[in-house]
Amino acid sequence: EIVLTQSPGTLSLSPGERETLSCRASQSVSSSYLAWYQQKPGQAPRLLIAGASSRPTGIPDRFSGSGSGTDFTLTISRLEPEDSAVYYCQYYGSSVIIFGQGTRLEIK
Amino acid sequence: QVQLVESGGGLVKPGGSLRLSCAASGFTFSDYYMSWIRQAPGKGLEWVSKISSLSTYTKYADSVKGRFTISRDNAKNSLFLQINSLRAEDTAVYYCAREYNAVVDGASFYGMDVWGQGTTVTVSS
Repeated sequence: EIVLTQSPGTLSLSPGERETLSCRASQSVSSSYLAWYQQKPGQAPRLLIAGASSRPTGIPDRFSGSGSGTDFTLTISRLEPEDSAVYYCQYYGSSVIIFGQGTRLEIK
Repeated sequence: QVQLVESGGGLVKPGGSLRLSCAASGFTFSDYYMSWIRQAPGKGLEWVSKISSLSTYTKYADSVKGRFTISRDNAKNSLFLQINSLRAEDTAVYYCAREYNAVVDGASFYGMDVWGQGTTVTVSS
């Protein structure tokens, strides 16, 4: 079974900075099935990136995704306090859906 | 307004059962695959089950296979999750979510673009 490992586990940054979050798959996956989500406390997750690099309508261009094979990244530029959240990568397979363990990002 | 609203959660004893519901509105429900995802207190997201748009196939996480049953009623724009033989480790917020499937320049992208607010299931004696 595919395992998604995210790094780092937690980080604290300042507004205006840029950060790249990592998601590594235990085996090669199609980019089509790699998504990223943002979850704020007490809220449902929000889809940020689908297909490793495509932003759904309404997602700010500060969020960008890239990668292929086993290594994928989510980059958040010009960090804002509202970006404080847990970020999850996801493999959306036809038979199984897998989430990474999440990266907690604090902006202060 | 595109919306999913879960209901049916509650406090149940180990070994008990619950039926969760998810009411969809603002989109053509029968066009979409749907999933249930859960999140234990203070933990990450765990996919539970998925159902195709016309209920022709269903998939389950190994942790719930044989105990949970996903179903839908397209005439009533509703998704369901029957959960039996509940265990303490099933305690979680349960979300329903819509499959996102976009095609750009011949490439397909997948994810979950609409989520409900969640319903809480607590398994305790």
